[in-house]
Amino acid sequence: ETGVTQTPRHLVMGMTNKKSLKCEQHLGHNAMYWYKQSAKKPLELMFVYSLEERVENNSVPSRFSPECPNSSHLFLHLHTLQPEDSALYLCASSQGGSSFYEQYFGPGTRLTVT
Amino acid sequence: KQEVTQIPAALSVPEGENLVLNCSFTDSAIYNLQWFRQDPGKGLTSLLLIQSSQREQTSGRLNASLDKSSGRSTLYIAASQPGDSATYLCAVTTSYDKVIFGPGTSLSVIP
Repeated sequence: ETGVTQTPRHLVMGMTNKKSLKCEQHLGHNAMYWYKQSAKKPLELMFVYSLEERVENNSVPSRFSPECPNSSHLFLHLHTLQPEDSALYLCASSQGGSSFYEQYFGPGTRLTVT
Repeated sequence: KQEVTQIPAALSVPEGENLVLNCSFTDSAIYNLQWFRQDPGKGLTSLLLIQSSQREQTSGRLNASLDKSSGRSTLYIAASQPGDSATYLCAVTTSYDKVIFGPGTSLSVIP
């Protein structure tokens, strides 16, 4: 595997389900990101982990819960989602600690909440 | 608050034309500006990154410029091809946890 991978690629879940999205980066980066891309809206940055420390984002509902067990893996735990949470969820990584924050993206998980 | 806009929202050109996509941002205090390409339903592919101290970057048929003082960047695509059809996004980084994306320009290159 190379670059940034995400699983699953597609996910359909009910509002009462609990599921998790997984992201893995094979680039040796030390920062990882979760983005949400809804139809007709710009990408929204949800969470950032730098050196495995989470940057708080108070605008994201608590039904989204990130986890970063190490610098290569990032999870997004989902529970009691709403239909408006249906979107493409993108993971990215970068090498932090300098101004060179070029981001590399995974292919995304297409989430549908029914 | 940093805001990023892109003009035009959509563009259709015949194959072989040169074209320019525009990106504007409201706060010049940025670390870098990055141009991405996104194919339908797919993730983003990084095209070019311009550091705040740079004026332009080139890769193949692509050339991106940055004018921090006016809050503008342009992506120039030379000799467009049908394979260039995609949505092009620009994003500015203001800190490691602040990346602001524009809404994108949807490009269609007609054979």
